[in-house]
Amino acid sequence: EVQLVESGGGLVQPGRSLRLSCAASGFTFDDYAMHWVRQAPGKGLEWVSGISWNSGSIGYADSVKGRFTISRDNAKNSLYLQMNSLRAEDTALYYCAKDLATTVTTTVFDIWGQGTMVTVSS
Amino acid sequence: QSALTQPASVSGSPGQSITISCTGTSSDVGSYNLVSWYQQHPGKAPKLMIYEVSKRPSGVSNRFSGSKSGNTASLTISGLQAEDEADYYCCSYAGSSVGVFGTGTKVTVL
Repeated sequence: EVQLVESGGGLVQPGRSLRLSCAASGFTFDDYAMHWVRQAPGKGLEWVSGISWNSGSIGYADSVKGRFTISRDNAKNSLYLQMNSLRAEDTALYYCAKDLATTVTTTVFDIWGQGTMVTVSS
Repeated sequence: QSALTQPASVSGSPGQSITISCTGTSSDVGSYNLVSWYQQHPGKAPKLMIYEVSKRPSGVSNRFSGSKSGNTASLTISGLQAEDEADYYCCSYAGSSVGVFGTGTKVTVL
């Protein structure tokens, strides 16, 4: 079964850091680009960041550029999001999502995890 | 990276057809045939409904169809059913490994 399981969310104070993880199973992880998408409570979806299959191509939303870093470990079938200098507006459910295509980044997301909640508050 | 523009809400009666628009710019929707649509029921993860403007993943009903003209993409749901009531989001590739979502549309089945 194809599955993505996020972890690492929680309550964190403004200005602090948090690292999210996404464990993938059921498909050849290192064939596909991967992404983080977030959804603030009661709000819409926002693409956060994406990384190509070999980490050679990375993109960030302007809202997180310079504060968040995406990475992956293909040997561990895992995706990560290092979030620094967190702000109240980063409060959201963070989804890990698999790109549809192999070897290229399309920002088409065919598999989603259930998300991990990040709350930034003092 | 401005969000793509969608109507906040669209409604229709069972059996009717509705269309949701998704307006971007020449830098995203207008430049790439990488527009996708997602359905999200409350408390659930989004589900891919349409990709590459008009393609349907296996298992998605043929009542869902997509199209694009210029900087605007559209999702049409025909034969509206109660289970189609959900939030719908478009998404487009915007170059340089960047994606952008639409503002989202709440579909109500009357």
